[in-house]
Amino acid sequence: IVMTQSPDSLAVSLGERATITCKSSRSLLASSNNKNFLAWYRQKPGQPPKLLIYWASTRKSGVPDRFSGSGSGTDFTLTISSLQAEDVAVYYCQQYYASPITFGQGTRLEIK
Amino acid sequence: QVQLVESGGGVVQPGRSLRLSCAASGFTFSSFGMHWVRQAPGKGLEWVSVISNDGNSEYYADSVEGRFTISRDNSKNTLYLQLSSLRPEDTAVYYCAKPSQPSEIDFLIESWGQGTLVAVSS
Repeated sequence: IVMTQSPDSLAVSLGERATITCKSSRSLLASSNNKNFLAWYRQKPGQPPKLLIYWASTRKSGVPDRFSGSGSGTDFTLTISSLQAEDVAVYYCQQYYASPITFGQGTRLEIK
Repeated sequence: QVQLVESGGGVVQPGRSLRLSCAASGFTFSSFGMHWVRQAPGKGLEWVSVISNDGNSEYYADSVEGRFTISRDNSKNTLYLQLSSLRPEDTAVYYCAKPSQPSEIDFLIESWGQGTLVAVSS
C-alpha cells in the first residue's frame, strides 16, 4: 500500500491552522471493525517518531487537543488547529492495515 | 515506563555483517510482537521487520528479505536484528519499536527507541 502525503513542506504562522493530507493506494477501512487502520506520527529533529493519532481520528492520551485526525477509506487529514512553536517537526502518516507497514514520505512543518 | 535501548550500530564495510540489539523494559516483553524500522539520513521511515511475541513468526520488507534476520530472547527481554551482506543503501538509523497492544503481531507502533546508526561504507 502506497501512502502519499501533501504537501511535502508547509509554513504556517503561529496560532494559525495547519492541514496535512494523506492518501492511500487502497482503502484502509476494515469491514471487520469499521475502523481505518491509519496513524499519524510527529518526529522532531534528532528524536524518534511519536504517535499522535490512531484509527485515523483517535488521539493518543496526552496529545494536545489541537491535534485532530479525520477521513476514511483512502483520504485522510491531520489538522493542527492553532500552531505552536513546539509543533515544528516532520509529520508522517502510516497504514497498519496490511503488511508491510508503509509510511507517507513526510511533511515538514515550519513556522512562517 | 516503556524503555527501548538499541545498541550495536557502527561503521561497517559493504558485504559485512552486524548485529543490533534492543533491550526492553517497563512492559511484559514476551506479550508483544516487536518491530525494527529504519530511517536513512534525511529520509523518511521504512519498516524493516517484525517478529511475533513467541518468536515463531517473522516478516521482512522486500528490501532486506534474505539478508536480515530478526530474533528475540524473551528470557533477556532483548530483540535482535542480524544484518548481513550489507549495502551502502542500508545506511540508516535503526529503531526498535513496540506496538500498542499485546498480541502475536500488531502493526500499530506506539513506542520507539532512540535508534542506533548503521553506516555502510568502504
